[in-house]
Amino acid sequence: DVQMTQSPSTLSASVGDRVTITCRASQSISSWLAWYQQKPGKAPKLLIYKSSSLESGVPSRFSGSGSGREFTLTISSLQPDDFATYYCQQYNSYPSSFGQGTKLEIK
Amino acid sequence: QVQLQESGPGLVKPSQTLSLTCAVSGGSFTSGNYYWTWIRQPAGKGLEWIGRIHPSGSTNYNPSLESRITISLETSKNQLSLKLTSVTAADTAVYYCARDEEWSPAAHYWGQGTLVTVSS
Repeated sequence: DVQMTQSPSTLSASVGDRVTITCRASQSISSWLAWYQQKPGKAPKLLIYKSSSLESGVPSRFSGSGSGREFTLTISSLQPDDFATYYCQQYNSYPSSFGQGTKLEIK
Repeated sequence: QVQLQESGPGLVKPSQTLSLTCAVSGGSFTSGNYYWTWIRQPAGKGLEWIGRIHPSGSTNYNPSLESRITISLETSKNQLSLKLTSVTAADTAVYYCARDEEWSPAAHYWGQGTLVTVSS
């Protein structure tokens, strides 16, 4: 099974900051990676699929990059609505698997 | 507008079978372009992929749960179901159904989730 490791586990930042979250796979997953945002009590929301494709309706301040084993999610200018937990998920092989999550907190 | 809605008992006794359904509205339920997926999340923890089913009947299960799970489709009702046998407290979680797309793999649509507690 493919193990997904996110870093950091917690990130403190301010409105307007540029932030980057990293997701590493235990083996190559090509570009088969998705990113989700989850707020307390809510279902996850898809932000990025196939490493860098922006889901319809998602603000352009979110971007994804990477291939192989290392991937990043970048938020170019944090907005108050962006404070949440973020998960990566690999789709290269089954079972699919998620990272452990990165909680983005207000500094 | 695709909508998914999970339902089922909120409380299940240990060793019994957890049964959930997911009602799907909007979009095509039987299109070969989609997979129907179950994901769960224990309170305060991360997401765990349970398994998925294609309208052809093909399934993929998480090996950690494979001996206990069955995912099926009832196309006449536009419903997805999950059965998990021999449950323990470790199966207590919010259970989500979701729709994956074959050509842009990711869970594009999610239900709101349903909490299942395993307790006597």
